[in-house]
Amino acid sequence: EAGVTQFPSHSVIEKGQTVTLRCDPISGHDNLYWYRRVMGKEIKFLLHFVKESKQDESGMPNNRFLAERTGGTYSTLKVQPAELEDSGVYFCASSHNRGPETQYFGPGTRLLVL
Amino acid sequence: AQSVTQLGSHVSVSEGALVLLRCNYSSSVPPYLFWYVQYPNQGLQLLLKYTTGATLVKGINGFEAEFKKSETSFHLTKPSAHMSDAAEYFCAVSFTVQGAQKLVFGQGTRLTINP
Repeated sequence: EAGVTQFPSHSVIEKGQTVTLRCDPISGHDNLYWYRRVMGKEIKFLLHFVKESKQDESGMPNNRFLAERTGGTYSTLKVQPAELEDSGVYFCASSHNRGPETQYFGPGTRLLVL
Repeated sequence: AQSVTQLGSHVSVSEGALVLLRCNYSSSVPPYLFWYVQYPNQGLQLLLKYTTGATLVKGINGFEAEFKKSETSFHLTKPSAHMSDAAEYFCAVSFTVQGAQKLVFGQGTRLTINP
């Protein structure tokens, strides 16, 4: 069974540009989560999808971030326009049920905004 | 509010020595606790988790952790370190929002193994 995949693995962009990150969850997992780790800080929750619906987006930093999960399969996270403080590692995770179940993480996308 | 504190951002031990990574949590409800590990250039991998039942939890690669409610701790241990244990370790507590689980992580501890 394939794990959670993320694309790209690395992205270097200039301030003001747009970047779109993609996450493919484990097949059959209805729950999809985005997390972010800014350098030197802890990993923080961004948002949670159940199928195609946003269940909780309380961690989204501001309206420059837009997440979608059309069709309830893969998800994209767009940052527009990117700022320097958006640099970090963006992780995606998925799980099957809503309870205290293991979330399976992808390798992350390392974003550097110059 | 839930929070996690990992004592020590860097821990260094000799190969064959005991590994002890400390984690303390704050939770207003009975916690579900996790330890994840991130090897270089890889994603987060679950080491072990505590939900209910036995407070001593065994995980992969010889790691274990003990949930101590009175101390609000969930320290990770391994009796004998191996070079392959070099990685970054994250303690996390989960809580439920609208029926779904959200993870709150500690700052991470980078473990170095000296030959």
